[in-house]
Amino acid sequence: DQQVKQNSPSLSVQEGRISILNCDYTNSMFDYFLWYKKYPAEGPTFLISISSIKDKNEDGRFTVFLNKSAKHLSLHIVPSQPGDSAVYFCAARGALDMRFGAGTRLTVKP
Amino acid sequence: KAGVTQTPRYLIKTRGQQVTLSCSPISGHRSVSWYQQTPGQGLQFLFEYFSETQRNKGNFPGRFSGRQFSNSRSEMNVSTLELGDSALYLCASSFVQGNSPLHFGNGTRLTVT
Repeated sequence: DQQVKQNSPSLSVQEGRISILNCDYTNSMFDYFLWYKKYPAEGPTFLISISSIKDKNEDGRFTVFLNKSAKHLSLHIVPSQPGDSAVYFCAARGALDMRFGAGTRLTVKP
Repeated sequence: KAGVTQTPRYLIKTRGQQVTLSCSPISGHRSVSWYQQTPGQGLQFLFEYFSETQRNKGNFPGRFSGRQFSNSRSEMNVSTLELGDSALYLCASSFVQGNSPLHFGNGTRLTVT
């Protein structure tokens, strides 16, 4: 059951522009949301998180937005850099476990 | 502080065999989770251990099992391997359950031939 969905398998943006990665979830019991970045041959690395009591959390170039009514989560990267090229996973935690989306491959072109 | 360590990094097995994967969490972390990553499927939750007890289990057959030791180290076992078990198996640890991020190891790449 795909409780966390990332509908865009890939995204390509120009260096310096904004990257917007989207994530939708179906379980209203999720109360903690995270974004991870993954390079090949490495494990996912935690990027940024947001609690369900907030609608925005910012950390440097990374901002996560949460729209609870729409059950939608997004990650904004501004400005995008070539080193940001990786697979990005969104994740949501409920009472029992943490669920991940299928990932979006971001390519930032110089 | 050392990160999450998974051994071995790569493993090749044949159908019908069994395999044991090992995970050493970050020092002080008591929660360990296991995930399976396959192309296009993202990370599928296998199980989570906390203080040597399995707290949660994902939707995988009984061939997949695990355990956690008193030092929080964890092992995952897959018996009667099938070709479809070929995947990257990731272990993650966290300090406590609840709202704390998971910290992942680099995974074990299992290939079943």
